[in-house]
Amino acid sequence: KAGVTQTPRYLIKTRGQQVTLSCSPISGHRSVSWYQQTPGQGLQFLFEYFSETQRNKGNFPGRFSGRQFSNSRSEMNVSTLELGDSALYLCASSRGSGETQYFGPGTRLLVL
Amino acid sequence: DQQVKQNSPSLSVQEGRISILNCDYTNSMFDYFLWYKKYPAEGPTFLISISSIKDKNEDGRFTVFLNKSAKHLSLHIVPSQPGDSAVYFCAARRMDSSYKLIFGSGTRLLVRP
Repeated sequence: KAGVTQTPRYLIKTRGQQVTLSCSPISGHRSVSWYQQTPGQGLQFLFEYFSETQRNKGNFPGRFSGRQFSNSRSEMNVSTLELGDSALYLCASSRGSGETQYFGPGTRLLVL
Repeated sequence: DQQVKQNSPSLSVQEGRISILNCDYTNSMFDYFLWYKKYPAEGPTFLISISSIKDKNEDGRFTVFLNKSAKHLSLHIVPSQPGDSAVYFCAARRMDSSYKLIFGSGTRLLVRP
């Protein structure tokens, strides 16, 4: 069974731009969660989607948004990028909310 | 408010010895706990989990212990191998409608050959 895939793997943007990251969950998984990891920080929860609905949201500004499609694939969007948004963005899927999450390889975003 | 805490940012052990990684939590509403391992530039890999109704779960070289009264869990790796060198995160799930997983800040394990 294929694992969680994320595209692109690496991305360089400049301040003020916007970016969209994509995540394809494991087949049969309906929950997708997004996390941000910055140097020296743990995994900071962004949001979770289940059956196309946002179920949980972390403490991030409204510039961070997401959505989930009917095939459970999810996208995350960051608008008006700031230097501090440079991070590894991880997507994780699970069968349902609160179940064991399986992570993708991440998208490393660098904002210049 | 950090509900899941890993107070040791790093740990170094000799190959073949036991590695013990610790995690403390504050919320008594957590009902499910997990450990993940993460290599640089990769996503975390699920290792082992434990339900709050148990106090021990074992999988090969990995054993997780849960002490609910102390709100403490630990991951034991025996014997430790150089390939175990990574950052280890513990996570906990809240037993409410959110079912959100909350992660600790991680402990970097170095296993010396």
